[in-house]
Amino acid sequence: NAGVTQTPKFQVLKTGQSMTLQCAQDMNHEYMSWYRQDPGMGLRLIHYSVGAGITDQGEVPNGYNVSRSTTEDFPLRLLSAAPSQTSVYFCASSSRVLQGNSEAFFGQGTRLTVV
Amino acid sequence: KNQVEQSPQSLIILEGKNCTLQCNYTVSPFSNLRWYKQDTGRGPVSLTIMTFSENTKSNGRYTATLDADTKQSSLHITASQLSDSASYICVVSANTGFQKLVFGTGTRLLVSP
Repeated sequence: NAGVTQTPKFQVLKTGQSMTLQCAQDMNHEYMSWYRQDPGMGLRLIHYSVGAGITDQGEVPNGYNVSRSTTEDFPLRLLSAAPSQTSVYFCASSSRVLQGNSEAFFGQGTRLTVV
Repeated sequence: KNQVEQSPQSLIILEGKNCTLQCNYTVSPFSNLRWYKQDTGRGPVSLTIMTFSENTKSNGRYTATLDADTKQSSLHITASQLSDSASYICVVSANTGFQKLVFGTGTRLLVSP
């Protein structure tokens, strides 16, 4: 019963470094997405994917790249980390059925600090 | 602009007591409204999902209501337990091809013994 698995759980980066946050799901869900959670704000959508090979931008996409080569994996890449990207990142997945009323499952989060 | 507002920001109640959390939204076109529970350091976990035609849904001691006319929802917790201490997030889904979820900032609930 793995669900949505994110790695790493914690990461400290120096400004300008790059890294990839990993996300994998084992529920065969078509939809996957990345959110960031900042103090005093609701989760905000960074990028999302409706299926393998298809990605699109969300509300706050600048500084991030994604790809979806398989149904299971949806990595988030930080190209050149900035202190403004210090946040907690959540990956989520959901099924395409039920016309958008299906439950979204979230990973445990990655706490990223950029110094 | 699509928005979800929750009140109160935080709440402290005694174990065994009931409480009600509020959510107002301005999301269009509306698809569904969800309540999530987020424990400290964990990801959100779904409690309920309600579509336009549903005005109440229960999940154990959690009961959510929805008034689509006034665009308001509430989450009622009955006989609170220490394990209910968490943030409760109201989320509204816009009716697009993808689940575009609009998140509230949450109500932080502390259940005190």
